[in-house]
This record gives sequence, C-alpha cells and structure tokens, in this order.
Amino acid sequence: QVTLRESGPALVKPTQTLTLTCTFSGFSLRTSGMCVSWVRQPPGKALEWLALIDWDDDKFYSTSLKTRLTISKDTSKNRVVLTMTNMDPVDTATYYCARIIAVAAKPYYGLDVWGQGTTVTVSS
Amino acid sequence: DIQMTQSPSTLSASVGDRVTITCRASQTIGNWLAWYQQKPGKAPKLLIYKASNLANGVPSRFSGSGSGTEFTLTIGSLQPDDSATYFCQQYNSYSHTFGQGTKLEIK
Repeated sequence: QVTLRESGPALVKPTQTLTLTCTFSGFSLRTSGMCVSWVRQPPGKALEWLALIDWDDDKFYSTSLKTRLTISKDTSKNRVVLTMTNMDPVDTATYYCARIIAVAAKPYYGLDVWGQGTTVTVSS
Repeated sequence: DIQMTQSPSTLSASVGDRVTITCRASQTIGNWLAWYQQKPGKAPKLLIYKASNLANGVPSRFSGSGSGTEFTLTIGSLQPDDSATYFCQQYNSYSHTFGQGTKLEIK
C-alpha cells in the first residue's frame, strides 16, 4: 500500500523559510520511474503545482516560484523535503505531496496517490 | 507556462443527469491530461489519466476524452456522491499546471 504524509510547521512568520517533509511508504525513490511532487492549495482556491523530484535526482520547479523553492530527497529514509524561502501571507495554503510514476520520461499516470496535506499559515 | 482553462466554474445538476466539464490548454499537450476530484477538506483523488484512462477503483460512469488542446470529463449518470470540485491538470511539460476547478453541486 502506497502512503504519503506531509509534515512541517503550522505557522511561519513572513520572510521566514518554510521546510516541509514528505514521508512515504510502499515505493522507493531508488526505483526507476518513481517521482514525488509537491502541490499547494490556498484556502478556497485552485491547486498549484510546485516542484518534482525523480528517482534520478532530476528536479523541476514551478516557473513562477523556482527562485524560492528547493526540493531534495533522502532515499534511505523515504523522505522528500521542500523548502520555500521568503514566506509571505499569500503562501498560506494546504501543501500536498503526491507520487508520480514516470514512463519514458513522462509522468504517465498523473499524481496517482496523495498525502492528506498539511496546512501552513503565514502570519506575524 | 501552459495555461489550463476549465468551464464552467460552477455547475448544478440533478441525480441521473449526464454532466460534462471542459478543459482547454493554451497550447497542445497531446493526451497528457489528468482529472481529479476533490471533496471539502480532503486531498484530490485521481479519476482519469492520459486523457481517457480510468484510474483504479473509479466508477465507470466517469469518462474522459480529448487530445491536443480540448478535453472533457463526463459523468454518465450523476450520483449524490459526485458532489465535489473537479480539476484538470496537464503534464506534458514539467510545469504541471492545473485548471481553476469546477464546483459541481447536486440539485
């Protein structure tokens, strides 16, 4: 059974750096084709894709946020970490991680399994 | 970035109705499109991948079609449990943009 769980602070102050961890089970980022992506959703708004890391340690970022984002993996601990710098109240959102299975360099099945999400509020 | 535009933004329909939601891409994405269902307070759930393939465990009343820039999600016979917000997502490029969502209400 594939599961993912997000963790991190519920509250951060403006200008601080947010660090979120996605801990997963049921698959390994050592396995060819496996990827993890981050998505966020401000209250009452649409989903926004943030970043992706694949089994080969290739990293991809949202064009609009790439200067603020860093994604990394700890394969031995089945974890993926996302950091976002210079947090602002507009970054208040629920942050999700999700699995992707890539086939021939394409995320073939979309985001097939999601974590439950973690809510982050940015406020002084 | 590729922009995804969904229509309508909200939709109200009755149990048993056939419902269609449309998603348009700002440039061609082949068939690299997914549909998700999201209920309040819950994570999105994958319904359709690669434009027309039903994800595991998804009822057969859901179907997807389209390619290039125009895509549709159809619910063949609306059920009360289908009340939710539906999102499309393109994954042709590695900036995986979502549509703005369609909120489906049951009359």
